Amino acid sequence: DVKVTQSSRYLVKRTGEKVFLECVQDMDHENMFWYRQDPGLGLRLIYFSYDVKMKEKGDIPEGYSVSREKKERFSLILESASTNQTSMYLCASSENTGELFFGEGSRLTVL
Amino acid sequence: AQSVTQLGSHVSVSEGALVLLRCNYSSSVPPYLFWYVQYPNQGLQLLLKYTSAATLVKGINGFEAEFKKSETSFHLTKPSAHMSDAAEYFCAVSGDSGYSTLTFGKGTMLLVSP
Repeated sequence: DVKVTQSSRYLVKRTGEKVFLECVQDMDHENMFWYRQDPGLGLRLIYFSYDVKMKEKGDIPEGYSVSREKKERFSLILESASTNQTSMYLCASSENTGELFFGEGSRLTVL
Repeated sequence: AQSVTQLGSHVSVSEGALVLLRCNYSSSVPPYLFWYVQYPNQGLQLLLKYTSAATLVKGINGFEAEFKKSETSFHLTKPSAHMSDAAEYFCAVSGDSGYSTLTFGKGTMLLVSP
C-alpha cells in the first residue's frame, strides 16, 4: 500500500514562529502536494512539486514556502506563522494518473 | 480554470435509504473526475475515479458515480446507506496543467441516522 506519512498530527505554535511540516512517501512517486483544508472551503492547493528541487505555486502560496531535496520528502515551511494559518494541512503524492494518495493530516494551531 | 460545485454542504439520510451526493464541474478539457471520502481526523481516501472509460464507475463500499457530459455532472450514489458511511465527501476534477493536479469541491458532510 502507498503510505504518505506526515510527521506531526497536531502542532501548537505562537505567532511569528517558523514552522516546518514534513511529509514522506514510500512509493517513489514523482509528484507531491501540500493542501490546506478549512471548514466550508474544501481543499486548497498551496504548492506542488513534479521533481526533486522543483516547485510550483498552487492557488494560495502566500505566506508559505516548500522544499524538496529528496524525491520522497516534501516539506512545507511557514516562515512566520500567523493566526490565519491555523488549519489542517494535508500532504499527498501521485504518479501521473491524477489519483492522489493522502497523509493523515497535520492540524496546526497558531496562537 | 477548472471548478467543482458540490450542492449541499450537509446531506442527511436514514440508514437504508438512498444516498445521492451531487457534483457539477467545469472543465475546458476532457476531465478526470474523482470522489474522495474523509473520516474524522483522517486524510482523504479515494472512493472512485472516472478516466474516460465507462461512464458508470463503481467504487469501494458500494458507491458508484455516473459521468454525464451533457450535464457536466458526476453525482455519487449508494442504494442503501449504512451508519459507517457518515463522513465528508469531496468531488475533484483534474487540472489544466496536466492530469496530476486536482481541484476539489468544498465537500458534503453525509449524516446517517438510525
